[in-house]
Amino acid sequence: EIVMTQSPATLSFSPGERAILSCRASQSVSIYLAWYQQRPGQAPRLLFYEASNRATGTPGRFSGSGSGTDFTLTISSLEPEDSAVYYCQQRSTWPYTFGQGTKLEIK
Amino acid sequence: EVQLVESGGGLVQPGGSLRLSCVGSGFTFDDYAIHWVRHVPRKGLEWVSSITWNSDTKLYVDSVKGRFTVSRDNAKNSVSLQMTSLRGEDTALYYCVKDETGMSYYLGNWGQGTLVTVSS
Repeated sequence: EIVMTQSPATLSFSPGERAILSCRASQSVSIYLAWYQQRPGQAPRLLFYEASNRATGTPGRFSGSGSGTDFTLTISSLEPEDSAVYYCQQRSTWPYTFGQGTKLEIK
Repeated sequence: EVQLVESGGGLVQPGGSLRLSCVGSGFTFDDYAIHWVRHVPRKGLEWVSSITWNSDTKLYVDSVKGRFTVSRDNAKNSVSLQMTSLRGEDTALYYCVKDETGMSYYLGNWGQGTLVTVSS
């Protein structure tokens, strides 16, 4: 099973700052990686697939990058509604697995 | 508007059974694979099972293989997850999810979830 590791576990920023979230796979997943955002009390929402393809409705301040084992989700200018837990997920090899999540707090 | 509505969760004793249902609307149901993902308290997300549009391919995570069975009825826009021999570690919020593009195995639209609690 491919293990997805996200870092850091928690981030805290002020509005307008830039946040960089990391996801590492235990073996190469090529570009078969997605990012999801889960706000409190809501179901997760797809942000990116194939590492850098923006899903419908994903704001332009979000960007995804990476391939192989190392991936990054960048939020260029944080807004209060970006406060959420962010998960990465690989679909390279079954079972498809998720990272443990990064909690992003906006002060 | 795409909607997925789960039902069937509840409190069940270890060793018991439950059948989760998911009804989709707002899209051409038989064009899409449907997935079940669970959120285990304090542990995160786990992909449980998937079924392709025509039921040709069914996937199960090892921890539920032999105990859970996924099925679909495209005429009723519904997918079911039959869960047997339930264990405490099956306690979770179960989400029904529509594939993003058909069979991409990216999770596009999520239901609100149905809670399964396995406890004596």
